[in-house]
Amino acid sequence: DTGVSQDPRHKITKRGQNVTFRCDPISEHNRLYWYRQTLGQGPEFLTYFQNEAQLEKSRLLSDRFSAERPKGSFSTLEIQRTEQGDSAMYLCASSVTRDTGGPPYEQYFGPGTRLTVT
Amino acid sequence: AQTVTQSQPEMSVQEAETVTLSCTYDTSESDYYLFWYKQPPSRQMILVIRQEAYKQQNATENRFSVNFQKAAKSFSLKISDSQLGDAAMYFCAYRRAYYGGSQGNLIFGKGTKLSVKP
Repeated sequence: DTGVSQDPRHKITKRGQNVTFRCDPISEHNRLYWYRQTLGQGPEFLTYFQNEAQLEKSRLLSDRFSAERPKGSFSTLEIQRTEQGDSAMYLCASSVTRDTGGPPYEQYFGPGTRLTVT
Repeated sequence: AQTVTQSQPEMSVQEAETVTLSCTYDTSESDYYLFWYKQPPSRQMILVIRQEAYKQQNATENRFSVNFQKAAKSFSLKISDSQLGDAAMYFCAYRRAYYGGSQGNLIFGKGTKLSVKP
């Protein structure tokens, strides 16, 4: 399977702990997105990368959140000092830009990491 | 800012019947993309259908078709010959057409939960 993968699928942590999630995009995709989905809501944009550069961050991404994409491959999303309000599904998606070919603009989603903060 | 509204939290359809899910959006831009995504329970989000705003012809993918009314900013999804496997959350999403440097993220509605009765 060459789709987007995320690890772990589920994470339960205590308030105040740090957590890190990983996303492996489709190999030829140069864009990678992070979204957060809370219960009963649609996904909300957090941040995205083009290759290794983080080009945009949502205001939802507080100082406790940091994301990286070293070497333009996999990405990590870290949440420091977790709060109960951080409980959500964290989705990763990847896509290609026009000049790299493939269906333009379509974002392929991973299965998500469900975070529960107790 | 762009917004996407799905006014039907839940819908139900009999197997083999047709159902239409509603979506409206707000934007001041003339060129953009609209999407319908399907999110089955505990499974990843997949793209159902895509519509380019500059195209007048409504997109169709097998049993799925859209009714795109640009002036009314309406983008409904019609599912014909509904199958049990169509049961899922359906999200309407908007994306700016400009892909050059930023704003490649999707803006989602809150979703419509579709149940299919045998």
